[in-house]
Amino acid sequence: QKEVEQDPGPLSVPEGAIVSLNCTYSNSAFQYFMWYRQYSRKGPELLMYTYSSGNKEDGRFTAQVDKSSKYISLFIRDSQPSDSATYLCAMQDSSYKLIFGSGTRLLVRP
Amino acid sequence: KAGVTQTPRYLIKTRGQQVTLSCSPISGHRSVSWYQQTPGQGLQFLFEYFSETQRNKGNFPGRFSGRQFSNSRSEMNVSTLELGDSALYLCASSKSGSNTGELFFGEGSRLTVL
Repeated sequence: QKEVEQDPGPLSVPEGAIVSLNCTYSNSAFQYFMWYRQYSRKGPELLMYTYSSGNKEDGRFTAQVDKSSKYISLFIRDSQPSDSATYLCAMQDSSYKLIFGSGTRLLVRP
Repeated sequence: KAGVTQTPRYLIKTRGQQVTLSCSPISGHRSVSWYQQTPGQGLQFLFEYFSETQRNKGNFPGRFSGRQFSNSRSEMNVSTLELGDSALYLCASSKSGSNTGELFFGEGSRLTVL
């Protein structure tokens, strides 16, 4: 079993829809939770990071962490075609390496 | 401010050969991490260097090695290449490798092993 599980998709939604992306994990030592976005032929870029349980909002993006369920989510409101990319969750314990999910491909249709 | 630069961007090798990939981090960043990305396994951590010292290592065989120079530039080497080493190799830098997870990635070096 992988430490971080993420549905690979693809997830196809119409423009303007609310998108929900999720990851589950097994290691209770994870303390920091991140979402990265990766466009085709590019490196990942950090979208959001949160520490421990709770919500964090940044514009159209909301990250949610539920440590009791070992479950994290990224919500995208009013999705745009430019949001079409692969979204990777990542987690970190007290060491300095990130453990990534396999990524979910998102396609927002105009 | 220049981003993370990786060279070469694309390369083709044959089984048994070796390869060296280079990474120049963002100016002022002292931590460099390397990741392997494949469609089947996703992003897998190779190793992390901070101030020329390997601070963390992933679960890859000894054929994968790296180093960091005094100017924070880093190289990784893969010896005795296997078909399964075909992947996108990503380098990421951060100021101190702190626990914010704020890594800045380069565009990667795409290695094809024939």
